[in-house]
Amino acid sequence: RKEVEQDPGPFNVPEGATVAFNCTYSNSASQSFFWYRQDCRKEPKLLMSVYSSGNEDGRFTAQLNRASQYISLLIRDSKLSDSATYLCVVNPRTGRRALTFGSGTRLQVQP
Amino acid sequence: DAGVTQSPTHLIKTRGQQVTLRCSPKSGHDTVSWYQQALGQGPQFIFQYYEEEERQRGNFPDRFSGHQFPNYSSELNVNALLLGDSALYLCASSLPDRGTYEQYFGPGTRLTVT
Repeated sequence: RKEVEQDPGPFNVPEGATVAFNCTYSNSASQSFFWYRQDCRKEPKLLMSVYSSGNEDGRFTAQLNRASQYISLLIRDSKLSDSATYLCVVNPRTGRRALTFGSGTRLQVQP
Repeated sequence: DAGVTQSPTHLIKTRGQQVTLRCSPKSGHDTVSWYQQALGQGPQFIFQYYEEEERQRGNFPDRFSGHQFPNYSSELNVNALLLGDSALYLCASSLPDRGTYEQYFGPGTRLTVT
């Protein structure tokens, strides 16, 4: 079983749609959680950290369910510029530890 | 404020050769991590350097080695290249211990082994 699992997609949605991505992780001791965005042939960029209380940044909302070991990302009012691969990322422990990435979910927003 | 920089951008090598990739972390960052990203996959952790020492290592063979310099920049060396080493190699830097442990990535070096 992979440490971080994501639906690879692609998700093809029209502009203005709401889309949700899900991710599960296997290490129950994981401490920090993130969503990164990666454009084609570019480096991953931090989109947002994910907290147990849930957090929102504009059109983006992230949720964490520690009991189910499940992370989600909701994008409202999708824009063409949201087209990218979204990577679910887990830091297994606190401190200077490796990040474990999912394989990513590809989103294509269509006009 | 320069972000994470990597060189070279692209590299083509032949099987069996050796390669050195370079990374300069973001200003103020002291920890450097290296990742390998194969096509269609997420980045896979290779190793991490802090205070000029390798602090943690992923599941990569000894052919992969590294170094960190006093100015926090880092090198990744790969010996006896295999076709399967073809990938995007990403360097990420981070601040001293923070609760959320955010990492910032450089643009990567795309290595092709023929």
